[in-house]
Amino acid sequence: NAGVMQNPRHLVRRRGQEARLRCSPVKGHSHVYWYRQLPEEGLKFMVYLQKENIIDESGMPKERFSAEFPKEGPSILRIQQVVRGDSAAYFCASSKNKNTEAFFGQGTRLTVV
Amino acid sequence: QKEVEQNSGPLSVPEGAIASLNCTYSDRGSQSFFWYRQYSGKSPELIMFIYSNGDKEDGRFTAQLNKASQYVSLLIRDSQPSDSATYLCAVNGDGNQFYFGTGTSLTVIP
Repeated sequence: NAGVMQNPRHLVRRRGQEARLRCSPVKGHSHVYWYRQLPEEGLKFMVYLQKENIIDESGMPKERFSAEFPKEGPSILRIQQVVRGDSAAYFCASSKNKNTEAFFGQGTRLTVV
Repeated sequence: QKEVEQNSGPLSVPEGAIASLNCTYSDRGSQSFFWYRQYSGKSPELIMFIYSNGDKEDGRFTAQLNKASQYVSLLIRDSQPSDSATYLCAVNGDGNQFYFGTGTSLTVIP
């Protein structure tokens, strides 16, 4: 019974490159949440998606960031033209229904050099 | 603005004692409440969830919810050094996202 799978675990990108972070939810879960965490700080909500739909993207910067959760395949968080300030841990969580418990993946640590 | 407040700590308790972690939330419409544990450099791990007023026990952990006071707490009995971590309170009201507190750092002293 696989949990939430995120890959890659570590990602290094040069300034200006694109970063693609993938999240495969728990089997049977159709709700996906993306969070960002800086060292010694709390989890900052970015976006909430259901299959093929963005439900709430209020925490995601309007420029350079986008997310999708296609009918088939993992959810993708895409960061274009990365800057040093994008360096952080990005966590994905999934839940079966809204309001029910969510489980986190191991995260992707993005480093922009 | 929906807020979840936690004391940042650090909270230190001796091994074997009861650790009490507290959380308040601003949205009266909140329906679901969760406690996560996060070790340094790791991802959050769900340890308890509670939906109804009252207490819910699971092993050494007890979650307490008081919706009238907008308060949720986590008690850890017989605290162990392995319980040393940051504990995150999360609240879900309208189903759109989980609102997290900034976490309480707990250290259990052997």
